[in-house]
Amino acid sequence: GAGVSQSPSNKVTEKGKDVELRCDPISGHTALYWYRQSLGQGLEFLIYFQGNSAPDKSGLPSDRFSAERTGGSVSTLTIQRTQQEDSAVYLCASSRDGSYEQYFGPGTRLTVT
Amino acid sequence: DQQVKQNSPSLSVQEGRISILNCDYTNSMFDYFLWYKKYPAEGPTFLISISSIKDKNEDGRFTVFLNKSAKHLSLHIVPSQPGDSAVYFCAASATGNQFYFGTGTSLTVIP
Repeated sequence: GAGVSQSPSNKVTEKGKDVELRCDPISGHTALYWYRQSLGQGLEFLIYFQGNSAPDKSGLPSDRFSAERTGGSVSTLTIQRTQQEDSAVYLCASSRDGSYEQYFGPGTRLTVT
Repeated sequence: DQQVKQNSPSLSVQEGRISILNCDYTNSMFDYFLWYKKYPAEGPTFLISISSIKDKNEDGRFTVFLNKSAKHLSLHIVPSQPGDSAVYFCAASATGNQFYFGTGTSLTVIP
């Protein structure tokens, strides 16, 4: 079946602009995660959605970052007033209810100039 | 504050030999550990996991060992194959919500 998809695959934006990154999880997966990986770093947790529960936003680095998940499926990560330090690969993952095993998308490479 | 550490950024191993990738963690509340493999321009793919009630889990050529007292886990690949060349990340969780990842070890298996 189809895996996790993310769009766009690459995004170049000017400092100060807003960007939206999209994630389509695997159908039926109730949990959805957003991570980012900066150059030379590990994956940094950003936000976690589980079913209809309130999301765990504890990893969001600032109030410029927000995410929503509509209808328990597609998720959008929004970064407002982008800064150069936001440049990274943003990864989305989903998992089945009760499973720790996450399935990752290919990521969106964001470059802020 | 890096709660999961992979201190070796790279490792080279001859084909057919054993690859040992190491991971250390600081949070004693972590109770589930996973290894992921990542090829360039792709997302990580799940490889193998272990819960804190076990000290070993095996799946084919891959075995994960957990030493809770030392807060250390390792991934053994034997025999190593050229297709195993990738970046390997370990990850740990205490709640199933947040997963903490290491910075990765780049494995090169030399034919």
